[in-house]
This record gives sequence, structure tokens and C-alpha cells, in this order.
Amino acid sequence: LAKTTQPISMDSYEGQEVNITCSHNNIATNDYITWYQQFPSQGPRFIIQGYKTKVTNEVASLFIPADRKSSTLSLPRVSLSDTAVYYCLVSGTYKYIFGTGTRLKVLA
Amino acid sequence: NAGVTQTPKFRVLKTGQSMTLLCAQDMNHEYMYWYRQDPGMGLRLIHYSVGEGTTAKGEVPDGYNVSRLKKQNFLLGLESAAPSQTSVYFCASSNTDRERGYEQYFGPGTRLTVT
Repeated sequence: LAKTTQPISMDSYEGQEVNITCSHNNIATNDYITWYQQFPSQGPRFIIQGYKTKVTNEVASLFIPADRKSSTLSLPRVSLSDTAVYYCLVSGTYKYIFGTGTRLKVLA
Repeated sequence: NAGVTQTPKFRVLKTGQSMTLLCAQDMNHEYMYWYRQDPGMGLRLIHYSVGEGTTAKGEVPDGYNVSRLKKQNFLLGLESAAPSQTSVYFCASSNTDRERGYEQYFGPGTRLTVT
């Protein structure tokens, strides 16, 4: 069964850039990578999605190397409100595999 | 526009009891999903549906059944609850999937405890 792994936790200070990596060694050709943010007692919320190279939106960037066996979510200049759990999702044909989540704590 | 709603928010069951969790979405999405979330294990897909009247098994389907009689509703049933089914259950919906992880919209979750 394909596995999607992430670091359990990370700490950062306000204003810093945070990079969270997800490992997905068994990614298939047609699979996409999506990142979600989850606050306590809420459902996950979409951040960004990509297939290869680099994708950027108003809140984050997603870097995917050529072999696509990993991906990195980059959050520029984090604030206290970015404290949350971040999940990567690898999805494809009838497949939806979430990572175990990375708990990010932003310190003042 | 309420998005994705789940009923109930909390429930306590005794072993062997049955119950149904209701998920409703008002975004006219084709795809709907049920996940369970356990500490340290992220979200795992139970069942999903690619359209009204169709359902399919996900990663952890045992002990659950689903139905999608109407496009806007996706029901998750537990016929005989077990303590191992104690979890937080999330419903999600998305527009056409087409093998990609199109943005999924999640509900607020249902916290289920089986004693």
C-alpha cells in the first residue's frame, strides 16, 4: 500500500519561511499532490495543488522535483494564525492517500 | 451557501448499536467522500461516490456501508458499532475528479465514541 510520510512536527517564528516536505515514493504517473491545512475541531481546508515543478498561489508555493517522489509546501512569512496541522494528499485513479500530518507551531 | 454539513456533531454508541451519519452539500458536486481521522494516522478514506447512485470502497471500508440516493446527500452507516470505530468522521465533496485531487471541501466532522 502506498505510503505518504511527513515530519510529525515543526516549530517556527513569526515572519520566517516554513518548508514542509512530504515523501511519496510510490506516486503514480497520473497522481496529483494537494496540501491541506487543519485547525482543531475543523475539517481540512485546501491550500494548494500541483503535478510537477512549481506552483504558487496567494498563500503558498508547492515545489515538486522531477522524480515527483516528494513535494515541499512553502509558507512565506508565517504568522501565529498559521499554527495548524498540514497534510499532503496524493490522489489519482480511485486513490486518495493522506499523509499523517505535520503539526506546525508558530512562535512569537 | 452552507457548503458541506454533517449530522450529528457528536454521538456516543454502545458496542453493537447502529447509526447513520448524514452528509449534505449544496455546491452541486459530483464526488463525495467519507474519511475517518485517528490520532497519528491522518485521514483515511472509508468510501466515496462519483455520482448519484454510485459508491466505491476506499482504504478502510470494513464495518461501514454508504448510500448516495440523492446527489446532495451521502450517508455513512455503521450496522454494529465496535470500539475500534471510535474516531472523528469527515465528509467531503468535490467537483469532477478525473484522476486528480481536485479541491475537496470538508465538513466540520462528527465525533463518534463507541463504548
